[in-house]
Amino acid sequence: EAQVTQNPRYLITVTGKKLTVTCSQNMNHEYMSWYRQDPGLGLRQIYYSMNVEVTDKGDVPEGYKVSRKEKRNFPLILESPSPNQTSLYFCASSASGTLEQYFGPGTRLTVT
Amino acid sequence: GENVEQHPSTLSVQEGDSAVIKCTYSDSASNYFPWYKQELGKGPQLIIDIRSNVGEKKDQRIAVTLNKTAKHFSLHITETQPEDSAVYFCAADLLAAGNKLTFGGGTRVLVKP
Repeated sequence: EAQVTQNPRYLITVTGKKLTVTCSQNMNHEYMSWYRQDPGLGLRQIYYSMNVEVTDKGDVPEGYKVSRKEKRNFPLILESPSPNQTSLYFCASSASGTLEQYFGPGTRLTVT
Repeated sequence: GENVEQHPSTLSVQEGDSAVIKCTYSDSASNYFPWYKQELGKGPQLIIDIRSNVGEKKDQRIAVTLNKTAKHFSLHITETQPEDSAVYFCAADLLAAGNKLTFGGGTRVLVKP
């Protein structure tokens, strides 16, 4: 089944404790992206990647890191999480030359 | 950068009635306007999209209209059904810049049986 998977789905952590949210897609898509969803703000792009080893900042990159060492994986790293990063996070992918983005199921992160 | 505003934030309709969600965008260069539907506990899913060279597009019970001059576009759902209950997001994109969608704030639609 073609899909985007994220792990973990739920995470409660404390301020300053490094964490990684994994994202993997099995559709051989070139483009991958991370969004955060907050009430009333819709989805805001954090980082995106056009292909392996090619990443760029989105609209709200502060406090986040990403890497794209393999085509299928695009992990999101929070080196020192803070409470304002409490949010619902989505990973998405799309094939080069196409427009539809396929979203993962989301990761709900709470930072206390 | 692009800014997309979406109204209303919540919409309650009776089953069988129509629902309309409106969005405005700020960047006149944007040329691609998708709509995503997010069901509870799931990620958003594309339901319909329109490019700037088209004024209207329809797919069964859903339709999207675009007014480039006024920089606004709308989603129309006719004969609403309970399974249409979800959060809907509009978005705008400049295709030449890659898949960089700017989303509206979302509309929670509740279809009452």
